[in-house]
Amino acid sequence: DSGVTQTPKHLITATGQRVTLRCSPRSGDLSVYWYQQSLDQGLQFLIQYYNGEERAKGNILERFSAQQFPDLHSELNLSSLELGDSALYFCASSNPTGGSGEAFFGQGTRLTVV
Amino acid sequence: EDQVTQSPEALRLQEGESSSLNCSYTVSGLRGLFWYRQDPGKGPEFLFTLYSAGEEKEKERLKATLTKKESFLHITAPKPEDSATYLCAVRQHSNYQLIWGAGTKLIIKP
Repeated sequence: DSGVTQTPKHLITATGQRVTLRCSPRSGDLSVYWYQQSLDQGLQFLIQYYNGEERAKGNILERFSAQQFPDLHSELNLSSLELGDSALYFCASSNPTGGSGEAFFGQGTRLTVV
Repeated sequence: EDQVTQSPEALRLQEGESSSLNCSYTVSGLRGLFWYRQDPGKGPEFLFTLYSAGEEKEKERLKATLTKKESFLHITAPKPEDSATYLCAVRQHSNYQLIWGAGTKLIIKP
């Protein structure tokens, strides 16, 4: 158990809909990362937050947005969903200013858009 | 440009056949290099952190080593349960981002 919790584990929704994925980081970790992984593809970095502030943006679509709340949990919002958004979405957390800075991953949310 | 390249893309070995996976990097001010294992449909599992050239870490049949330009993940006498995708990532001193390689898919045949 990495200590990172993602909910829900599975999500099936229709095209055009909006969903929210939730991530609770490990205790003490200030940084949260979101990644997308399509079938048999590598990890695609979406966005990073550190202590509530956006720190880095990757290939995140305008239809996607995220935020990190004062209690450090994070949510990834996906809207106007398309079939191609079907993927595994991973959250990871780390403490980049303390310790060795490695990231720990949750088990992911599998999103299926039908 | 900061970059991480892993090779080979895929590697098939017989059970017991030792080999190495490579992670080469170009990044200024390396803070740490990380190895992960990912099973299909699961989140990457942290394996090792390496900080400086010459450092080595071991865990069961895996040993990770680091030079100034690359890291190797040596797998000794692998078993079928070692089959997974192995990912490498680096972190710079200057920012909080992680730079990822594309991974090596390792298949161990019984």
